[in-house]
Amino acid sequence: EVLLVESGGGLVQPGRSLRLSCAASGFTFADRAMHWVRQAPGKGLEWVSSISWNSGNIGYADSVKGRFTISRDTAKNSLYLQMHSLRAEDTALYYCAKDMEVTATRMDVWGQGTTVTVSS
Amino acid sequence: SSELTQDPAVSVALGQTVRITCQGDSLRSYYANWYQQKPGQAPVLVIYGKNNRPSGIPDRFSGSSSGNTASLTITGAQAEDEADYYCNSRDSSGNPRVFGTGTKVTVL
Repeated sequence: EVLLVESGGGLVQPGRSLRLSCAASGFTFADRAMHWVRQAPGKGLEWVSSISWNSGNIGYADSVKGRFTISRDTAKNSLYLQMHSLRAEDTALYYCAKDMEVTATRMDVWGQGTTVTVSS
Repeated sequence: SSELTQDPAVSVALGQTVRITCQGDSLRSYYANWYQQKPGQAPVLVIYGKNNRPSGIPDRFSGSSSGNTASLTITGAQAEDEADYYCNSRDSSGNPRVFGTGTKVTVL
């Protein structure tokens, strides 16, 4: 069974940093692109970032470019999202999602998410 | 434009058919993927590509596309189909970065 478990969320003050993690199991992590997608309270889905199987292709939403960094550790079957200069508008449930391919095409399995709240 | 537009809400009688549409320029180049999200749960992929269903998705879900419009059809809607549905497509960079605005489906 494919399982994605996010962690690292919490309450953080504006301007501070936070690192999200996603532990993957049940599939060959090294062979799949991965994504972060967020959902603000009561709002729709917003793509945040994607990383290809070998980290050779990385993309970011304009809203987080220059502040967030996606990375992966194949040895640990883990995906990360380093978030800096956090803003109130970054408050959301952050989902980790697996792709069906080695490069970013579509998310086929999602974790349950970790909540980030940016507030003073 | 990389936006995808959906009707905010639709309703369907139990057992009837409902079509959810998604409009956007990127759909002229890429197929839409469709996600179902029930309250308090993570999204679930129900349709991808031309008209493909992941394992475990009932065959009452189907997809189609024409021009800049993609559609998700639920034929014989069930109570458990009541959910928010989001379309998703790639932009010119090839990343699946564009989500639709979402459609809330109510089964009456």
